[in-house]
Amino acid sequence: GQNIDQPTEMTATEGAIVQINCTYQTSGFNGLFWYQQHAGEAPTFLSYNVLDGLEEKGRFSSFLSRSKGYSYLLLKELQMKDSASYLCAVPHSGNTPLVFGKGTRLSVIA
Amino acid sequence: DGGITQSPKYLFRKEGQNVTLSCEQNLNHDAMYWYRQDPGQGLRLIYYSQIVNDFQKGDIAEGYSVSREKKESFPLTVTSAQKNPTAFYLCASSSEDYTDTQYFGPGTRLTVL
Repeated sequence: GQNIDQPTEMTATEGAIVQINCTYQTSGFNGLFWYQQHAGEAPTFLSYNVLDGLEEKGRFSSFLSRSKGYSYLLLKELQMKDSASYLCAVPHSGNTPLVFGKGTRLSVIA
Repeated sequence: DGGITQSPKYLFRKEGQNVTLSCEQNLNHDAMYWYRQDPGQGLRLIYYSQIVNDFQKGDIAEGYSVSREKKESFPLTVTSAQKNPTAFYLCASSSEDYTDTQYFGPGTRLTVL
């Protein structure tokens, strides 16, 4: 089965860089997803990593190490609108749906 | 505009009543999902479906039922057997199978009084 661990809360300053970590245990790996969820809204897709390394997409980057069961989401040049929860998710092994972590609530302060 | 719609956004019901939450997608996606989210919690899977007329229980299916009579529709019924139905309910879909990217509807916030 899956066990996904993320920090519960983080706080960072506007304009800074923040790294949100995710560790997972899975019996079969089929990629890792990151989603952003603003309070009271639906999650929106940010990134998908299936190979080791860093994937950069504008201010957001996501890193994966399959051997360590570890991923992080890197947010640069933080803006107030980045205040949200960030959810890490991995599929079950085989053809079964995503399992989501509890999310990391990021607060960006001036 | 392609997307997933859920209605209504807010729903109030009396305890003991069944209620059905709507989910429609025009993305031509095969797979659809229902999740429940409680304050400060992650998403928990209720039911999922990959094809019409077939669906599977997720981690917390007790007290819920679904149907998948059409590819674009996956309604969720919250029955009176669900002990704590007040929550934020999210519907999602993905193109082919369960490992594809999921896209979410706006959610329905259900409050049972």
